[in-house]
Amino acid sequence: KQEVTQIPAALSVPEGENLVLNCSFTDSAIYNLQWFRQDPGKGLTSLLLIQSSQREQTSGRLNASLDKSSGRSTLYIAASQPGDSATYLCAVPLNAGGTSYGKLTFGQGTILTVHP
Amino acid sequence: DTEVTQTPKHLVMGMTNKKSLKCEQHMGHRAMYWYKQKAKKPPELMFVYSYEKLSINESVPSRFSPECPNSSLLNLHLHALQPEDSALYLCASSQPMRLAGRKYEQYFGPGTRLTVT
Repeated sequence: KQEVTQIPAALSVPEGENLVLNCSFTDSAIYNLQWFRQDPGKGLTSLLLIQSSQREQTSGRLNASLDKSSGRSTLYIAASQPGDSATYLCAVPLNAGGTSYGKLTFGQGTILTVHP
Repeated sequence: DTEVTQTPKHLVMGMTNKKSLKCEQHMGHRAMYWYKQKAKKPPELMFVYSYEKLSINESVPSRFSPECPNSSLLNLHLHALQPEDSALYLCASSQPMRLAGRKYEQYFGPGTRLTVT
């Protein structure tokens, strides 16, 4: 059974800092890994999708890395801003027996606060 | 267009009411999902529709009744809910996994905040 863990559970940093969020998974046979952002009371916004054959994906100030062999992914946020304050979730899909849909296994999330 | 829309944004209902949540996507996705999310927890899968047929019911109480009228629409009918059902309800959609492969990705809507009084 796939288990996904995120560390730390919460992080508070001053504006301008570079930071790293961690995600680990127990079964390395993954299709990909998805990083989401969630603002309070809102839906999930997909930030980055990193495929199992990729090592890194970048979008603006965000960089996600993937090390399948060690079961780890990191989300690097450069020059953090107060607007980055949100909960960040990572998720990996499980192919439910070759069907057309996948089931996402989520980590518990990291609550990020960036203060001015 | 990579948008999933959900209505209403907020819903307050009594335990004897009947209401429905709606979800729509126009990305041509053939899998649609309902999730329930409680505060400070990740989303929990409730139902999966694949090609308009119910494929997964994660042992959800019968007071929640899903419906997929066509490939773009997903409804969640609510009846005789309990206060503990108050939560954020999220809808998502995706391409079929065997087509998307490593690019498989779920797209989420903004959610409906449900309060049961």
